[in-house]
Amino acid sequence: GAGVSQTPSNKVTEKGKYVELRCDPISGHTALYWYRQSLGQGPEFLIYFQGTGAADDSGLPNDRFFAVRPEGSVSTLKIQRTERGDSAVYLCASSSTEQGPGYTFGSGTRLTVV
Amino acid sequence: DQQVKQNSPSLSVQEGRISILNCDYTNSMFDYFLWYKKYPAEGPTFLISISSIKDKNEDGRFTVFLNKSAKHLSLHIVPSQPGDSAVYFCAAGFNTDKLIFGTGTRLQVFP
Repeated sequence: GAGVSQTPSNKVTEKGKYVELRCDPISGHTALYWYRQSLGQGPEFLIYFQGTGAADDSGLPNDRFFAVRPEGSVSTLKIQRTERGDSAVYLCASSSTEQGPGYTFGSGTRLTVV
Repeated sequence: DQQVKQNSPSLSVQEGRISILNCDYTNSMFDYFLWYKKYPAEGPTFLISISSIKDKNEDGRFTVFLNKSAKHLSLHIVPSQPGDSAVYFCAAGFNTDKLIFGTGTRLQVFP
């Protein structure tokens, strides 16, 4: 596609439930990133994929968070046993080595845990 | 411990004047510095970057200056336009992989 697509754009879930957030990167981009942005803060790094493998998952806050990219394209961020503190905008970005610095971000998924 | 800091949460500038957004960092090993612009309900949009080996990079109305000794960078927008009104994030990283973002500065350009 022309840009990075994230679905759903909004998600409201109850505390304790499981959620999946999807990211469709720009076609051909090998690198994919997940960030989380809380109110009044800048984006905070979660995980980075190069192809199918997680090259750096040091930003995942705990073992309730998990992300996959099985075919090196679409990625899913999975959150188990959601907590109210997980409420944030989850941003996905992609890039290619030819592009140089600067990723292309999607519009994000606003997750609200009630 | 915030490695990238934007100490001004907001800035208001008249159309046609210069906007100067500032950013400080603590880690002298960063390889790249970037500026992103964000409109409400959209993802951040990449604006301009600078390598740690340079001290200036220019792209049209946007210029980024890097002062490594002071661990400080700034974004200059000349002339400022109403469409520039947005939140601007400074970011720094190693090999352009993981980026560390500041908290943002909201720029308002008024007529």
